[in-house]
Amino acid sequence: AQSVTQLGSHVSVSEGALVLLRCNYSSSVPPYLFWYVQYPNQGLQLLLKYTSAATLVKGINGFEAEFKKSETSFHLTKPSAHMSDAAEYFCAVSLGGGNKLVFGAGTILRVKS
Amino acid sequence: NAGVTQTPKFRVLKTGQSMTLLCAQDMNHEYMYWYRQDPGMGLRLIHYSVGEGTTAKGEVPDGYNVSRLKKQNFLLGLESAAPSQTSVYFCASSRSGDTGELFFGEGSRLTVL
Repeated sequence: AQSVTQLGSHVSVSEGALVLLRCNYSSSVPPYLFWYVQYPNQGLQLLLKYTSAATLVKGINGFEAEFKKSETSFHLTKPSAHMSDAAEYFCAVSLGGGNKLVFGAGTILRVKS
Repeated sequence: NAGVTQTPKFRVLKTGQSMTLLCAQDMNHEYMYWYRQDPGMGLRLIHYSVGEGTTAKGEVPDGYNVSRLKKQNFLLGLESAAPSQTSVYFCASSRSGDTGELFFGEGSRLTVL
């Protein structure tokens, strides 16, 4: 069975600091991996996805994530946090690209001024 | 530019009452999904549909029923609401079954007393 673990339910960073949100997955077959973002009182929207092409994936709003098979990780990073990045972030995995996504529990990112 | 629209956005029910959540999408997407979001648990798939007239069970289908009579609409029904069904419900749609990109509505917050 596939699953996703997000380390840290809350992460707090200062404006301008590096953002690092951690995601580890388990999957018996090559996974497709995704990061979604949820702003307050809104639905989720896709940030970026890994579909077995380049291991470093760039997404919207300056975010990127690197697929590391040896570590079974897909951590999300952004070099410099902005106040508008405050949101909840979800890592998700699917088997072979299907749309039945399994979501992690989410990480709430707080950005301090 | 509506995308995915959910109604109602808020509802309070008493235990044992029934209700239906309506999801409508204007993107001509084939696939539609219903998720529930609970604190610390991420999103869990309740039911999904791969096309008009089809439905299938997801991870947590018990206590819910769905129908997809028209391509643009996906209804989620609770026949006899229970307090354990207090949650935020999200509808999503996707163009196909192999991209992992889901488009979400803004959510429906349901409280069962």
